[in-house]
Amino acid sequence: NAGVTQTPKFRVLKTGQSMTLLCAQDMNHEYMYWYRQDPGMGLRLIHYSVGEGTTAKGEVPDGYNVSRLKKQNFLLGLESAAPSQTSVYFCASSDSDRSYEQYFGPGTRLTVT
Amino acid sequence: AQTVTQSQPEMSVQEAETVTLSCTYDTSENNYYLFWYKQPPSRQMILVIRQEAYKQQNATENRFSVNFQKAAKSFSLKISDSQLGDTAMYFCAFFRSGGGADGLTFGKGTHLIIQP
Repeated sequence: NAGVTQTPKFRVLKTGQSMTLLCAQDMNHEYMYWYRQDPGMGLRLIHYSVGEGTTAKGEVPDGYNVSRLKKQNFLLGLESAAPSQTSVYFCASSDSDRSYEQYFGPGTRLTVT
Repeated sequence: AQTVTQSQPEMSVQEAETVTLSCTYDTSENNYYLFWYKQPPSRQMILVIRQEAYKQQNATENRFSVNFQKAAKSFSLKISDSQLGDTAMYFCAFFRSGGGADGLTFGKGTHLIIQP
């Protein structure tokens, strides 16, 4: 049982490049989330999903797209990376059993130059 | 929208002492959960303790306990017999349970340093 995994762990992009971050969970959770963490800040919600095939915007969605084609995977895409997207990205998942505890992945450190 | 405020950017105590981290929040919701997460240098987010707003009794997990004051919208974390391994960033977080699964709202965190 790996919990929540994120791929890759580190990435450096040039401005304008695109990439996709992959989050996978093996706990059969309904809900999945993408957050970003910047220095001196707590985590902020980018997008989330309440089930396969559904996504919704969070607090800071601009510049990102997401997809949840399979229940266990939640993808975060950057179509044209900007230096302002330099951050640590966390994926999380939780069950719909009303415990609302979110299980976090190890994070991806992304640098955009 | 909810806001979570942690007014102590950094705290430092001696090993074995008791320390209290402060958190206040603002919401118009009645049904919600509050959490404390620990983030050590490894960057992993670890759940420390959870409190359901409808429960009057304060949550306790071993050396960790909370003081939940719903009317004052205050949710402090007390760490007893602090250990070197408690050194980490601590984040207070709010979850609105009544309207769906729209994610956690985090405070900016408190950097706790346990001195030997």
